[in-house]
Parts: sequence; structure tokens; C-alpha cells
Amino acid sequence: GAVVSQHPSWVICKSGTSVKIECRSLDFQATTMFWYRQFPKQSLMLMATSNEGSKATYEQGVEKDKFLINHASLTLSTLTVTSAHPEDSSFYICSADATASGRAVHNEQFFGPGTRLTVL
Amino acid sequence: DAKTTQPTSMDCAEGRAANLPCNHSTISGNEYVYWYRQIHSQGPQYIIHGLKNNETNEMASLIITEDRKSSTLILPHATLRDTAVYYCIVREAPGSSYKLIFGSGTRLLVRP
Repeated sequence: GAVVSQHPSWVICKSGTSVKIECRSLDFQATTMFWYRQFPKQSLMLMATSNEGSKATYEQGVEKDKFLINHASLTLSTLTVTSAHPEDSSFYICSADATASGRAVHNEQFFGPGTRLTVL
Repeated sequence: DAKTTQPTSMDCAEGRAANLPCNHSTISGNEYVYWYRQIHSQGPQYIIHGLKNNETNEMASLIITEDRKSSTLILPHATLRDTAVYYCIVREAPGSSYKLIFGSGTRLLVRP
């Protein structure tokens, strides 16, 4: 299957700082990427849909000024957690839709390995 | 909200078949059933999907009832590496860039 990477794989930061997480599709172009958040022992919660060249679409209850998403190219989407606080500590996962690239044999999304954010 | 319901947890013995049920009684005609799994602290992995016919690939089989209100994912010979959370998701037809809404999933434990 197609490969999606995330960087960093884990990050620890102080409360009040901003953290940027990158999501890259390594061997295909993705016009659409998705960002999820997952708390311990819980399911993935969709945060937003990231569309290349346009504004992200946020799910209800997700603060767009808190979680800034930029999809500046067909292979890169970034999620910036602004003014992070301990309650933002979570596992952040991105996925990329490979449909347009022809790499999605079954029209599935390909997921990154996740980024674990810990805010002290 | 997720459109599916799954048992919270299941277990099976290594080498035996694991049968994971999923109810999706409100599925609409153009929605497919997708299965993903998530091994601890990793991103989800696609397993299989189907519309109304049974499907099989190298990982699993998917059995969908005739009324499409439920389905079963079958891992024919479970191994310890199949221990994971399995998510059953309904979504619009392939070809559309549509978001996946994850429910709570089934935590499968494969016992040695």
C-alpha cells in the first residue's frame, strides 16, 4: 500500500507553546488528508479534513484557531497545536486519500503512524 | 456519530478463526462496509471492504447479510499479531473522498 509518514513521532512541550506536526504522503499525491485525535483507550476522533489549496473543514466542536491546518502541497499537510495545554496531550494521526492518485486500489485511506504529544 | 455497533472485546485462540460481528442497521444503499484495524500505538490499517457480496482477500473475509444490516469479519487463522482493535465503518461509495467516522471498535485478543 501507499505510505504516509508523520513527523515527529513524539514530542514533549511546555504549556503555552505551539507544536507543529507534519503529515506526508511519500509515494503518492493526496488532495485530501484527514487529522484525527485519539485519547488513551478511546477511538479515533476526526478533527478536520484538509484540502490542498483551500481551507480545512473542521468537525463540530474542534477549535480551528487552536488547531491550525495547512495543506500547502499535494504531499504535505501540517497540524499546528497553538498554545498547547496539558489537555491537548493526545495521539494525533493523519490519513491521506489516495483515490485521485490511483494508488488506492480499494479506495481506502492510508494512515500515518501517529504523533504522541505530551504537554507538561 | 458512528453508524455501527460492535462488541467491546473478544478473544480467540491462536490458529483458530476469529469472527468479528458488526451491526449497521441504518446503512443506506450507496454505503459500503469498511474494516480497519489498529495495533497498539500505530495508525489504522485497511483490511477489507464490501457492498453486498461477500469478499475475501489475503487478510480476511467479509460476510455481509442479505439485508445488509450486519456483517462479520473473519480472520481464518488468527495469529498473535492479529491482536488489535478492529473497526467496522460505513462510508459512501469508493471514488469519493469521504471521511471515516470511527466507532468504538472491538478489541480482539488472540491467546497463545
